[in-house]
Amino acid sequence: NAGVTQTPKFQVLKTGQSMTLQCAQDMNHEYMSWYRQDPGMGLRLIHYSVGAGITDQGEVPNGYNVSRSTTEDFPLRLLSAAPSQTSVYFCASSYDRNSPLHFGNGTRLTVT
Amino acid sequence: DQQVKQNSPSLSVQEGRISILNCDYTNSMFDYFLWYKKYPAEGPTFLISISSIKDKNEDGRFTVFLNKSAKHLSLHIVPSQPGDSAVYFCAAHSAGNMLTFGGGTRLMVKP
Repeated sequence: NAGVTQTPKFQVLKTGQSMTLQCAQDMNHEYMSWYRQDPGMGLRLIHYSVGAGITDQGEVPNGYNVSRSTTEDFPLRLLSAAPSQTSVYFCASSYDRNSPLHFGNGTRLTVT
Repeated sequence: DQQVKQNSPSLSVQEGRISILNCDYTNSMFDYFLWYKKYPAEGPTFLISISSIKDKNEDGRFTVFLNKSAKHLSLHIVPSQPGDSAVYFCAAHSAGNMLTFGGGTRLMVKP
């Protein structure tokens, strides 16, 4: 039972490049979400999904896209990377949106 | 404006003593509160939670207290152990709404 798996662990991008952060969970959770962690600001919600085919915006969605074609996978796409997107990104899942979250180990992204 | 605030960025305590981590919130609609613990290079893990209908919840060495009138919650760890050294995040939400996290407090427990 791997829980929530994120890849890659580290990534360096140049401004303007695009990339996809992968997230997969094997707990059959309906609710999945993406957070970014910045110093002193805690974790801020980027996008979330309450089930396959359903996604919605969180607190800081600009510059990011998501899709949820299966229950297991919830990739996060950076359309045109900017230095302000340098952060640590965490994917999380839970049974439903009111249950405690299970987090992956994060992707550290640097945009130069 | 941050709706959930952890005003102490760091806290240092001696092994065996009590650690008290504090959290304040501004949104009176919040009715469920959680604490997460995070080690370096790992994701946060759920520690303990409390519903707004309670004022205390205990799980082993960890106790969370909620003071609704003051919009304040605290996490007590007794006794503190070196393995408790981590960043602690408090979080809050109202039913069906997104979880809002505080900025975190780094706890260091000295042997």
